[in-house]
Amino acid sequence: GQQVMQIPQYQHVQEGEDFTTYCNSSTTLSNIQWYKQRPGGHPVFLIQLVKSGEVKKQKRLTFQFGEAKKNSSLHITATQTTDVGTYFCAGHASGGSYIPTFGRGTSLIVHP
Amino acid sequence: SAVISQKPSRDICQRGTSLTIQCQVDSQVTMMFWYRQQPGQSLTLIATANQGSEATYESGFVIDKFPISRPNLTFSTLTVSNMSPEDSSIYLCSVTPEQGFGDTQYFGPGTRLTVL
Repeated sequence: GQQVMQIPQYQHVQEGEDFTTYCNSSTTLSNIQWYKQRPGGHPVFLIQLVKSGEVKKQKRLTFQFGEAKKNSSLHITATQTTDVGTYFCAGHASGGSYIPTFGRGTSLIVHP
Repeated sequence: SAVISQKPSRDICQRGTSLTIQCQVDSQVTMMFWYRQQPGQSLTLIATANQGSEATYESGFVIDKFPISRPNLTFSTLTVSNMSPEDSSIYLCSVTPEQGFGDTQYFGPGTRLTVL
């Protein structure tokens, strides 16, 4: 079945440093979504990428979808303590799928 | 988007008992799902709750252990039966308001279950 690998599992950064998490799928995706889960909270939708090579930005967050639609990344510039949490990617298999496959998540810890 | 509530928000239960978790959505939704998230882990799909018919379970999950009801398009329940400490986890309800493939999932606040 489809697998979605996400690395790293944890990342410690000093406030102000950049952060990147990577997501790789074993199969081609129709889209990829990113979610953020704050400590003690529930996953909250951030963004969806659909097109090959697509790049989207949300303030200090940059999301990319690979040309082959099998990988994606989330980059945060100049991290802040409010960025703390676990970031999950979730991919829908191409050909039609109601249910995404979630990566295991990257936990970001920002030290002030 | 959809606003989702879950009850209870947390519970501590004794081994061998059962707990029913409720999920209420503020609008009619096509798809409702139940996930489990163990501490520090990713989201594991338990089942898709189907309105008016039996839930569709993922590999490793069975109806006898996790019976699910979905009487209408805004409400579902998940029961964790004959609990053991291994069932300690966060249980999350999620919905996709639209009907298409690849839709966004909206999650409820979760139910934190501890089994002693």
